[in-house]
Amino acid sequence: AQSVAQPEDQVNVAEGNPLTVKCTYSVSGNPYLFWYVQYPNRGLQFLLKYITGDNLVKGSYGFEAEFNKSQTSFHLKKPSALVSDSALYFCAVRDKGTGGFKTIFGAGTRLFVKA
Amino acid sequence: DAGVIQSPRHEVTEMGQEVTLRCKPISGHDYLFWYRQTMMRGLELLIYFNNNVPIDDSGMPEDRFSAKMPNASFSTLKIQPSEPRDSAVYFCASSLGGGATETQYFGPGTRLLVL
Repeated sequence: AQSVAQPEDQVNVAEGNPLTVKCTYSVSGNPYLFWYVQYPNRGLQFLLKYITGDNLVKGSYGFEAEFNKSQTSFHLKKPSALVSDSALYFCAVRDKGTGGFKTIFGAGTRLFVKA
Repeated sequence: DAGVIQSPRHEVTEMGQEVTLRCKPISGHDYLFWYRQTMMRGLELLIYFNNNVPIDDSGMPEDRFSAKMPNASFSTLKIQPSEPRDSAVYFCASSLGGGATETQYFGPGTRLLVL
């Protein structure tokens, strides 16, 4: 069975500092991995995805994520945080091998960026 | 494109009443997903359709929940009878194709409160 873990409920970072939001996953085969962001009272917005190829994936708003197969991780990063990055971030996984399009979402990590 | 459209945005009803949530996917998208988000359970996939056909409804909590997609531009999620534990935010999402192209676009959600 596939699963996603986001070990931190909340991450606090000062504006201008680098940020990392952690995600680990478990699938039986090779994964598709996604990051979504949710702003208050809005639906989720796609940030980036890993399908295959280069382990470093660049996405929207200056975010990037690194796929690490040996550690089964897909941490979200940004070199310099903005106050406007404050939101709820979801990591998601889908197993290529099982077919279908059932995407499993992590519990979410709330990011607070202080000015 | 207007994006994924959901109605109503807010719904307050009494226990035992029927509730119908509506979704219009992005034109041309062939996958449609219904999710439920609660503080306790996070984001759960309820059901998804491909070309108007239900593919996986294993996430539908019980028989009180039903979903239909009569055509490519409209889907409904019905709860009958509703219960207080159904209170949640219900999201609809759509995507074009699967695999490497799968990016889900979420609607703004319907916030349901069952009294």
